[in-house]
This record gives sequence, C-alpha cells and structure tokens, in this order.
Amino acid sequence: EVHLVESGGGLVQPGGSLRLSCAASGFIFSNYWMNWVRQAPGKGLEWVASIRLTENERSYVDSVEGRFTISRDNAKGSLYLQMSNLRAEDTAVYYCARDGDSFFDSWGQGTLVTVSS
Amino acid sequence: DVVMTQSPLSLPVTLGQPASISCRSSQSLVYSDGKTYFNWFQQRPGQSPRRLIYRVSNRDSGVPDRFSGSGSGTDFTLKISRVEAEDVGVYYCMQGTHWPPTFGQGTKVEIK
Repeated sequence: EVHLVESGGGLVQPGGSLRLSCAASGFIFSNYWMNWVRQAPGKGLEWVASIRLTENERSYVDSVEGRFTISRDNAKGSLYLQMSNLRAEDTAVYYCARDGDSFFDSWGQGTLVTVSS
Repeated sequence: DVVMTQSPLSLPVTLGQPASISCRSSQSLVYSDGKTYFNWFQQRPGQSPRRLIYRVSNRDSGVPDRFSGSGSGTDFTLKISRVEAEDVGVYYCMQGTHWPPTFGQGTKVEIK
C-alpha cells in the first residue's frame, strides 16, 4: 500500500524559512514523479512544485519560483520542499502527492505551514 | 494557465438521489498523444484529497461504481448515481494536459 507522510510544518515569521519532508513507502519511489500541492485555509487546491525522476527536472508555480526548492533522495524514498522568504500567502496545508497514472494518484495527510508574526 | 470552472459550487442533495457536477476548461484537454488528462478528486471533511476518476472516465481502485466520469474536449461531468452520506465533501476537477496542472474551485456536496 502506498504511504506518504509529510512532516516539518509549523509557525514561521514572514521572511523565514522551513523545510518540509515527505517519507514514501509501499512503492518504488525512484520510478515516480512527485509533487507538492497546497491548500490555504478554507480554500481550494494549488499545485506548487514537481520533480521528475531525477533532480535535473523540476518546475514551480510562478508565485514560489526562486523562493522554494523541491528535491528528492531516491535512496531514502524521501521528497523535500525547502521554503525561504516565506510570505503570509504561503500559509497552507502542504500535501505530498505522487504522479501515478495521470497525475496525483496518492496523497499524504498534509502538514500545516503558518506564516505569521 | 488553463482555467477550470466548476458548477455548481454548492450542491445540496437528497440521500439516494443522483447528483451531477460540471467542469469546463478554458482550452481543449486533448493532449498530443490523444489522451485527455482530466481527473476528479474528492475531499471529505478533515481529510486529504483522494483521486476518484482519472483520464475522464477511469475509476481509481476502491472507488464505488456509483461514481462515473464523462466528457470530452472542454466539458466534463462527474455523476453520483445515488448519493450516500459518505459522499459529503468537496469535489475538485483538475487538468494535467497543459502545464502547470490546475484545479477547479471545488463543489461542496452536502445532504439536504
């Protein structure tokens, strides 16, 4: 069974940094593209970043480009999101999501990031 | 970016009755490989999203057959043949044909 467990969320001041992690199990991690998707409080879903099978191919939503970095460690079965220069509008639950057949077939439980002074 | 527009945004339904949600995209979702990368997701209260339908009409494993997806090009529909209490939540459409992937605003399904 596919299992994705996010961690690393918390309260951070504007301009601060945070690193999210996603531990994957139940599948061959290195065979799948991986993503971060976020959901602001009471709002809808927004794709944030994707990473292909290696770290050579990554992409980001415009609003986080230059501030967030997605990475992966295939040996550890882990996905990461390094977030810097955080803004209030980055406040959200961040989900790790696998790209199985045709996008986002499995999701973690999410980790809450709150950006506030 | 491709805009996904869902309707209605709120859907009160009676238990045992059918329900239907529409989603329209601002561009055709047919990819160059001939496939249409359009999915439906369910998010129950307090839970993570769960994919129900992929590539328009394919049900994910474990999804009850009362859920069905249809459509083509720019217009898509999710149907629930007989609504059950566990179907309460928010439903999102999503496209992956054009980068970046984008979601609809969500449709909140509640019991009357």
